[in-house]
Amino acid sequence: SQQGEEDPQALSIQEGENATMNCSYKTSINNLQWYRQNSGRGLVHLILIRSNEREKHSGRLRVTLDTSKKSSSLLITASRAADTASYFCATDGTSGSRLTFGEGTQLTVNP
Amino acid sequence: GAGVSQSPRYKVAKRGQDVALRCDPISGHVSLFWYQQALGQGPEFLTYFQNEAQLDKSGLPSDRFFAERPEGSVSTLKIQRTQQEDSAVYLCASRTRGTYTEAFFGQGTRLTVV
Repeated sequence: SQQGEEDPQALSIQEGENATMNCSYKTSINNLQWYRQNSGRGLVHLILIRSNEREKHSGRLRVTLDTSKKSSSLLITASRAADTASYFCATDGTSGSRLTFGEGTQLTVNP
Repeated sequence: GAGVSQSPRYKVAKRGQDVALRCDPISGHVSLFWYQQALGQGPEFLTYFQNEAQLDKSGLPSDRFFAERPEGSVSTLKIQRTQQEDSAVYLCASRTRGTYTEAFFGQGTRLTVV
């Protein structure tokens, strides 16, 4: 079964706008990761945030983590058509063990 | 190798046929995972290896599913007597040793059971 839920399930925006995706999870975590998946392809790692971190940046990506609410958000700023993909959060409960994925958010960025 | 390699990319099997899916992880990666992904869904965990030891197989949906990694490198996921509900993309991922490490995924094998 999935660890958490992502919200929204689908998001459609115009190029240049910001996109925010949310993820909620159920159990304690060691870290939380975000992945991107283009249609018909494998998943690509975007960013990892540790359980003792509250915010992290990487390029146009900003991730927040609130362990008290068991939730995370991914913000993509100044979106581009090439950002169109599915985005998944994944929780890591124990070092090196399995990642448990959410259902994903399908992002469409219209040119 | 440069990345995680899976073969075949596509497999069509007749119901009842046995299939074998191969995963070649990144050289030196200790951990290897198999996931099943249905259309429009997130990846669902199947099984996990650390070197050649299968440490967790709790996600395998039935005893028709079997995975091995005999030398701690290449892994094979075998599905016996395939059923239509086995149709999905099967993803393999590997991770290096460490507390805060990312998983590297292969392109997946799309299995269609007809």
